[in-house]
Amino acid sequence: AQSVTQLGSHVSVSEGALVLLRCNYSSSVPPYLFWYVQYPNQGLQLLLKYTSAATLVKGINGFEAEFKKSETSFHLTKPSAHMSDAAEYFCAVTPYSSASKIIFGSGTRLSIRP
Amino acid sequence: NAGVTQTPKFQVLKTGQSMTLQCAQDMNHEYMSWYRQDPGMGLRLIHYSVGAGITDQGEVPNGYNVSRSTTEDFPLRLLSAAPSQTSVYFCASREENIQYFGAGTRLSVL
Repeated sequence: AQSVTQLGSHVSVSEGALVLLRCNYSSSVPPYLFWYVQYPNQGLQLLLKYTSAATLVKGINGFEAEFKKSETSFHLTKPSAHMSDAAEYFCAVTPYSSASKIIFGSGTRLSIRP
Repeated sequence: NAGVTQTPKFQVLKTGQSMTLQCAQDMNHEYMSWYRQDPGMGLRLIHYSVGAGITDQGEVPNGYNVSRSTTEDFPLRLLSAAPSQTSVYFCASREENIQYFGAGTRLSVL
């Protein structure tokens, strides 16, 4: 079975500071891992994905995530936060199967202080 | 391409009323799903479909019905609305493990 744990339901950083959103997963088979972003009153959109190629994955808007199998983690980072990064971020996992369910974490709301 | 289109965007129901949330996609994706989003609980899968004529239950299916008569459409039906179904509902289609979400339907049941 697969599961996802996002540590911290709310993270607040200053504009220009490092953004670090934590995600740990549990999977009995090699996983696909994703980060989605949800802006206010919108649906979720894909930020980046890991599908067993490079362990460091670059996404849109300057975000990146590193797959660490030994730590079962897939943390999301951005070197310098912008006000426009304020949103809710969801980590998700699915095993290597096109018909498998995607399991989402509970989400982390990112706030940016001026 | 319009992507995934959900209607209506907002709806208020009284307890016991029925309604259908519409979802359509124009990307010819076989896999579609419905989620509900509640504060602090992330997205929970209600029902999903791997193709026309095939549906299955997710983790919170009670109180909801679905059908999939065409590849494009995947409506979600609430037969007798309850206050516990107050939520934001998202429809998604999927290709190669990437989900494409609609903008959501915000439902309040009084």
